[in-house]
Order: sequence, then C-alpha cells, then structure tokens
Amino acid sequence: AQSVTQLGSHVSVSEGALVLLRCNYSSSVPPYLFWYVQYPNQGLQLLLKYTSAATLVKGINGFEAEFKKSETSFHLTKPSAHMSDAAEYFCAVSDRISGGGADGLTFGKGTHLIIQP
Amino acid sequence: NAGVTQTPKFRILKIGQSMTLQCTQDMNHNYMYWYRQDPGMGLKLIYYSVGAGITDKGEVPNGYNVSRSTTEDFPLRLELAAPSQTSVYFCASSLQGDSNQPQHFGDGTRLSIL
Repeated sequence: AQSVTQLGSHVSVSEGALVLLRCNYSSSVPPYLFWYVQYPNQGLQLLLKYTSAATLVKGINGFEAEFKKSETSFHLTKPSAHMSDAAEYFCAVSDRISGGGADGLTFGKGTHLIIQP
Repeated sequence: NAGVTQTPKFRILKIGQSMTLQCTQDMNHNYMYWYRQDPGMGLKLIYYSVGAGITDKGEVPNGYNVSRSTTEDFPLRLELAAPSQTSVYFCASSLQGDSNQPQHFGDGTRLSIL
C-alpha cells in the first residue's frame, strides 16, 4: 500500500516569505500525487496534481510542486506567502483500493500553514 | 454551480442513535466516496461507489452503511452511533475512478456523539 508522510504538522512563515511544505511518499510504482488545501469549515480543494507528465507542476493560487523520484518527494512551494494562504494542506497519493474497482486517495496527516503579518 | 452538497453541516447525536448523512452531486459523476477526518489525521476512506447500485468498502467501513440508488445521491448511514464515530465526514465525487480524475469534495458534516 502507498503511504504519505508530511513533515511538520505546523509551518509558520512571514507574509511575503517563501512557503515550503514537505511531502514524501512510498510507492512501488510511479505514483499519482496530489496537493489539496482545506480552508476553515470547508471541504478539500485541489491545488495541483502530478500524473507523470512534467516533474514541475503548477497549480492554482501561485503554488507549484516538484516531483523528485530519487528523493520520493513532492514538496509544495510558493515564492511569496499571502495572508489568504493560511489553511490546512494535504498531500495525497492515489492507490488502487484493495480488491476494489477504483483508485482511492491515501492522505498525509496535513500541515497547518500559519502566515505571520 | 453547486458541486457536492452535504447535509447537515453539524449534528450532535446520543450514543446508540442512528442518522443518515446526505450527499448529492450535480456533476453527473459516476464515482462517489465517503471519508472521515479525525483531528490531526488525514482523511480515511469509509465506502465508495462506482455507479448507481454498486457500492464497496473502503479502509474503515465498520459501523456504517451506504446505498446508491441514483447517480446523484450517496447517503451514509450510522445505525448505532458510538463515540468513536465523532469526526468530520466528507463526501467526494469524480467522473471516473482512475488516478487522473481529481475528486471534488463537499464542505463536510461535523458529527459529535455524546
């Protein structure tokens, strides 16, 4: 089974600073990887996804992530943080549901991004 | 532009009570999913459906039941509520069930069992 590890349950950055949220995965096959964002009292919204095309993936709201097979990583970055980026961020890997007919998502535990004014 | 709609948004239940969490989507998606999110944890898959009339278990199905009588609706039922089922429940849908299709999430139902 696939798994995802997000380093740091909380990350705090100053407004305008670089955002770096770390995600490492374990997979025996080339994975499909996703980053989702969750704002307070809302559902998850897709930021970006990696599906084996380009290793640098651009998403919404200025975020991007780079797939590095040698490091089994898919870290999320944004050059300049905004106050509106404060949210919970989840990395996820797609995996065939055991005995099932669909691919399900295995999520990391999430990273809470705090933006300091 | 409704997407995935979940009701209710909040609910408090007593131990042993039953209830149904409603989920409907207007995107004509074939696949639908129920997840639970516990504090400090990622989402875990409870049940999923690949189309009307077809459902299957996910990672944590015990204590729950589902049905899929229409493409649009995928209700989740708790028969005998237990404190361990206190969680936030998310419904999601996707056009197909392969990894290239992103899942679209509702805003969640926050459920407390006391």
